[in-house]
Amino acid sequence: EAGVVQSPRYKIIEKKQPVAFWCNPISGHNTLYWYRQNLGQGPELLIRYENEEAVDDSQLPKDRFSAERLKGVDSTLKIQPAELGDSAVYLCASSHRLAGVGTDTQYFGPGTRLTVL
Amino acid sequence: AQKITQTQPGMFVQEKEAVTLDCTYDTSDQSYGLFWYKQPSSGEMIFLIYQGSYDEQNATEGRYSLNFQKARKSANLVISASQLGDSAMYFCAMGGQNFVFGPGTRLSVLP
Repeated sequence: EAGVVQSPRYKIIEKKQPVAFWCNPISGHNTLYWYRQNLGQGPELLIRYENEEAVDDSQLPKDRFSAERLKGVDSTLKIQPAELGDSAVYLCASSHRLAGVGTDTQYFGPGTRLTVL
Repeated sequence: AQKITQTQPGMFVQEKEAVTLDCTYDTSDQSYGLFWYKQPSSGEMIFLIYQGSYDEQNATEGRYSLNFQKARKSANLVISASQLGDSAMYFCAMGGQNFVFGPGTRLSVLP
């Protein structure tokens, strides 16, 4: 079974430029998560999708970050414009979350390391 | 709001010895899950073990076991017979209405 796929693995951009990250979850997983992980810290949830619906985006900086998950499969996370403080690893995870069930195991992709100069 | 606390920024253990990584949590949810993930220097996040809030027995997965004390709101990870390859960051996480990670503990296994 293929794992969570992310691309690109690395991205270097100058501040004020746009950037996009792509994630393809494990086949059959209905829930998709985007996290940001700063150096030496734990991942911080940015947005969670259940199928096509964003059910938790409370930590997403909506002035510059946007995400979509068309057709409930793969997803794109965009930053426009990027700032120096956006340098981090962006992790995508997926799980098979059953409606009404409290929790689920997430499986992570390799991440995209973003450097903003 | 849910919160995870890991009070040990770094831990050292001798190869072949057991080590306990601490995790305490705070939540108002009745149903929740507790997870441990390992993140080696290569960066991937590897799922290790899961404990449901209603599970009466402590979870075990090979050399990993989770010491779940619900009344104390703790979910410590025990690694038996440490190996050099266990050197990594270890994150405790909780899922319920939301999903939150702790700050992590860096484990170094000494030869």
